[in-house]
Amino acid sequence: ETGVTQTPRHLVMGMTNKKSLKCEQHLGHNAMYWYKQSAKKPLELMFVYSLEERVENNSVPSRFSPECPNSSHLFLHLHTLQPEDSALYLCASSHSRGVATGELFFGEGSRLTVL
Amino acid sequence: AQRVTQPEKLLSVFKGAPVELKCNYSYSGSPELFWYVQYSRQRLQLLLRHISRESIKGFTADLNKGETSFHLKKPFAQEEDSAMYYCALKGAQKLVFGQGTRLTINP
Repeated sequence: ETGVTQTPRHLVMGMTNKKSLKCEQHLGHNAMYWYKQSAKKPLELMFVYSLEERVENNSVPSRFSPECPNSSHLFLHLHTLQPEDSALYLCASSHSRGVATGELFFGEGSRLTVL
Repeated sequence: AQRVTQPEKLLSVFKGAPVELKCNYSYSGSPELFWYVQYSRQRLQLLLRHISRESIKGFTADLNKGETSFHLKKPFAQEEDSAMYYCALKGAQKLVFGQGTRLTINP
């Protein structure tokens, strides 16, 4: 499969649960991103990984924990979330940030609902 | 600091009418500006970038450094243009998006 694939597409979890979102890209990119999309703040940058190293943590609460085991995979581990964390979580990839063209390729998102 | 402002959350125009989606930015360095679009049930995707100076799907955008603006324009709107549009600014560190404008084209 080509492009950026996110799983699961929908996730419902309680505040005490631990779950993970997965993102996979087959575009040969070496930078990956997590964005949060909600009604209040449509596109908030959460984390940036370049060459598997975290280069940006945009003041995200520690209940969100990213992991980038290789340049093709990105995870977002979720633990003790709050209802206000309910949102669409978008993964994106691009060529290395240092020479990035500004073109990000987005996945379809994982719709998270926290009860 | 990088900041992108899209003053209109919602914009509604009739088919065939001109469209202008506003975008203003704040950045101390040399900016690179982009427009992204998200059609219903589709993923967010790049529409155009200012350095290309191209017209995509009839849309154009001109970077005006004096007014720090990058408005998106189309002379004759079509129903398939209905979507969410995001202006984005690439600075030294990251790509920052505006709040988005939902464009609705009425038949």
